Amino acid sequence: EAQVTQNPRYLITVTGKKLTVTCSQNMNHEYMSWYRQDPGLGLRQIYYSMNVEVTDKGDVPEGYKVSRKEKRNFPLILESPSPNQTSLYFCASSLRWHFTSTDTQYFGPGTRLTVL
Amino acid sequence: KNQVEQSPQSLIILEGKNCTLQCNYTVSPFSNLRWYKQDTGRGPVSLTIMTFSENTKSNGRYTATLDADTKQSSLHITASQLSDSASYICVVSATTGGSYIPTFGRGTSLIVHP
Repeated sequence: EAQVTQNPRYLITVTGKKLTVTCSQNMNHEYMSWYRQDPGLGLRQIYYSMNVEVTDKGDVPEGYKVSRKEKRNFPLILESPSPNQTSLYFCASSLRWHFTSTDTQYFGPGTRLTVL
Repeated sequence: KNQVEQSPQSLIILEGKNCTLQCNYTVSPFSNLRWYKQDTGRGPVSLTIMTFSENTKSNGRYTATLDADTKQSSLHITASQLSDSASYICVVSATTGGSYIPTFGRGTSLIVHP
């Protein structure tokens, strides 16, 4: 089954404790991205990756890191989490994302993160 | 600054009725406009994707329209069902350096009552 998976689905942690949220897709997609969703603000892009070893900042990259060493995986790293990073996080992927693309973007199930 | 405004913020309708959700945007240069359905606690699911040259796109009971001149889009839901209860998100992407920058609307929360 074609899908985007995220782990963990729920996480409660404390300020400053490094954590990684994994994202994996099995569709051989080039483009992957991370979003956070907060009440009243909608989805905001954190980072995106056009392909392996190619990443770039989205609208709200501060406090986050990403890597794209393999095509299928795109982990989100919080080196020193803070309470304002408490949010619902979504990973997404699509086949391509160049200017002529209308490829469908597939979202993962979400990771609910609470930072105390 | 690129912006996407959706209206209404929330909507309650009776099962079987039709409804229309609105999306106004100021994104430039325009690349494409997407509508997503997001059930509570789940990831968004793509409904329609439209480019500049398309003014209507259907997906079952969902029909999206696009007026690139006025920078407006609408999503029409026909014969609503209880399962249509969800948040509907409009996303407009701009082109920059060959890549996309998506701007998300805050969504319209639709509740369908029996």
